[in-house]
Amino acid sequence: AQKITQTQPGMFVQEKEAVTLDCTYDTSDPSYGLFWYKQPSSGEMIFLIYQGSYDQQNATEGRYSLNFQKARKSANLVISASQLGDSAMYFCATERGYSTLTFGKGTMLLVSP
Amino acid sequence: DTGVSQDPRHKITKRGQNVTFRCDPISEHNRLYWYRQTLGQGPEFLTYFQNEAQLEKSRLLSDRFSAERPKGSFSTLEIQRTEQGDSAMYLCASSLFGLEAYEQFFGPGTRLTVL
Repeated sequence: AQKITQTQPGMFVQEKEAVTLDCTYDTSDPSYGLFWYKQPSSGEMIFLIYQGSYDQQNATEGRYSLNFQKARKSANLVISASQLGDSAMYFCATERGYSTLTFGKGTMLLVSP
Repeated sequence: DTGVSQDPRHKITKRGQNVTFRCDPISEHNRLYWYRQTLGQGPEFLTYFQNEAQLEKSRLLSDRFSAERPKGSFSTLEIQRTEQGDSAMYLCASSLFGLEAYEQFFGPGTRLTVL
């Protein structure tokens, strides 16, 4: 079985600062994917970034980067230069067998002016 | 807009009634997923289809739940004899399996309230 742990229920950051959202995972699959999704108050899950377990380099997408440490089984999301619109729930997820996603409980990020 | 759409967005029903939700995936996507999300939790997998074949069902999906994707395009999720514990957001997602990118694209969800 797969498990995702997000230990930060809530995080506060000031606008323009960087923030790291923690994620650790547990899986027995030899090959897997790691995802981060954003869920604003409107409810829709928005894909942010993907990291394959065999990727040598950390994934980056604009202001988002994934700090992947395979030996520690961690996949932390780094958001640089936070914006007010970044305030939302953030979910880490792992993919099983190139199909279903297992999500953590999420971290609520609040960006203040 | 060619994203994933879901209908209805909100549904209020009385305990014991049947409800049906519809999901229209991104047109070229061959996989379609259903998830359920309760307050304070991340989404939980329910079932998924590749084209019209239902490939996997979670143990969360009791006998009161049934999903179909008859022509490999839209999908329906039916809940029979609803219970208060069925109150949740039901999320649909789609993906194009077979290419390098595996991200699932989610719809806006259907929020179900069972009174």
